[in-house]
Amino acid sequence: GAVVSQHPSWVICKSGTSVKIECRSLDFQATTMFWYRQFPKQSLMLMATSNEGSKATYEQGVEKDKFLINHASLTLSTLTVTSAHPEDSSFYICSATGEGQETQYFGPGTRLLVL
Amino acid sequence: QKEVEQDPGPLSVPEGAIVSLNCTYSNSAFQYFMWYRQYSRKGPELLMYTYSSGNKEDGRFTAQVDKSSKYISLFIRDSQPSDSATYLCAMSQGAQKLVFGQGTRLTINP
Repeated sequence: GAVVSQHPSWVICKSGTSVKIECRSLDFQATTMFWYRQFPKQSLMLMATSNEGSKATYEQGVEKDKFLINHASLTLSTLTVTSAHPEDSSFYICSATGEGQETQYFGPGTRLLVL
Repeated sequence: QKEVEQDPGPLSVPEGAIVSLNCTYSNSAFQYFMWYRQYSRKGPELLMYTYSSGNKEDGRFTAQVDKSSKYISLFIRDSQPSDSATYLCAMSQGAQKLVFGQGTRLTINP
């Protein structure tokens, strides 16, 4: 149980384009989803927290207009990187938690490369 | 001072050895303690989860939490090459924001 998927697993795009990453909870209802960013050999950095049906709460220093998060249903959250630039290249990971769960379950991650 | 401190390693041990991984923390409000395993280019996988102080065992893995010392540990017995990964400790006050350690890179040598 507690499986989280992400799509795509990797994406290459040109600078200036927008990229959407999906995060799905497959076998539970995710009341809260989280988006993280991870640079090579570093730990996870929380970008934002989203509750189903509410606006996301962004961590300090994360541009909400650049990283658009939508959590429209209890099984799906999306992260859109708008006008992507090479410095946005990173490993993006989502996690989810639901009612009665006291920890987060992570997706497999999406590797983004902006050329 | 970081809220959670974890030695990033790298740590290299021979197959079959007992591995000890540790984290210290400063926030006494943390109640939930987790260990995640992350293979290269993959998302973190929940390995062990402990609420408050005490020990928890699952197969070759044992997690210990000492809240009085603000110290948590993960022990791996009979280590295998497949255990080679980065191990992240994480803790929280609830199901919300997790605070991660830096991660320890572990290599088990055949």
